[in-house]
Amino acid sequence: NAGVTQTPKFRVLKTGQSMTLLCAQDMNHEYMYWYRQDPGMGLRLIHYSVGEGTTAKGEVPDGYNVSRLKKQNFLLGLESAAPSQTSVYFCASSSAGASGGALETQYFGPGTRLLVL
Amino acid sequence: GQNIDQPTEMTATEGAIVQINCTYQTSGFNGLFWYQQHAGEAPTFLSYNVLDGLEEKGRFSSFLSRSKGYSYLLLKELQMKDSASYLCAAKDSNYQLIWGAGTKLIIKP
Repeated sequence: NAGVTQTPKFRVLKTGQSMTLLCAQDMNHEYMYWYRQDPGMGLRLIHYSVGEGTTAKGEVPDGYNVSRLKKQNFLLGLESAAPSQTSVYFCASSSAGASGGALETQYFGPGTRLLVL
Repeated sequence: GQNIDQPTEMTATEGAIVQINCTYQTSGFNGLFWYQQHAGEAPTFLSYNVLDGLEEKGRFSSFLSRSKGYSYLLLKELQMKDSASYLCAAKDSNYQLIWGAGTKLIIKP
């Protein structure tokens, strides 16, 4: 039982390049989330999904796209990377998103460190 | 706007007790979470409060006052491994988590 995994762990991009971050969970969770974490700031939600085939925008969605083709996978894409997207990206999943009480607990992957030059 | 406030950094001594405070202002409220994050690692769940009062879990306890928009995390018998950042997060009326910037806790021998 691996929990939440993310690939790659670290990546360096040049401005304008594209890439996809992959998140996988083996807990059969319905909800999945992509966050970014920057120094001195709280985690900020980029996009999230409440189930297979669904996605929704979070607090900071601009410059990112997502897809949830399979329940266990949640992909985050950067079409044209910018230096402002240098950050640590965390994927998380939970079995419930609303009215679930403690079931709303989010489990995080190890993170992807992205540097855009 | 929505906001979570917690101290940036705290220092405590091994074996002592420390209280990390968190105040929140959210549109609606559906629970408060505390997470621990060691440097370079992912956040891990510590506690969840939705009703007023104290929840105790081993050396860690979390308190909530909904009327005051206030929570604290209490760590007892501090160990060196407790050196980490502690993140407070409140769930708003849309069930979105609003995260604080975290409190870096430094434990000294």
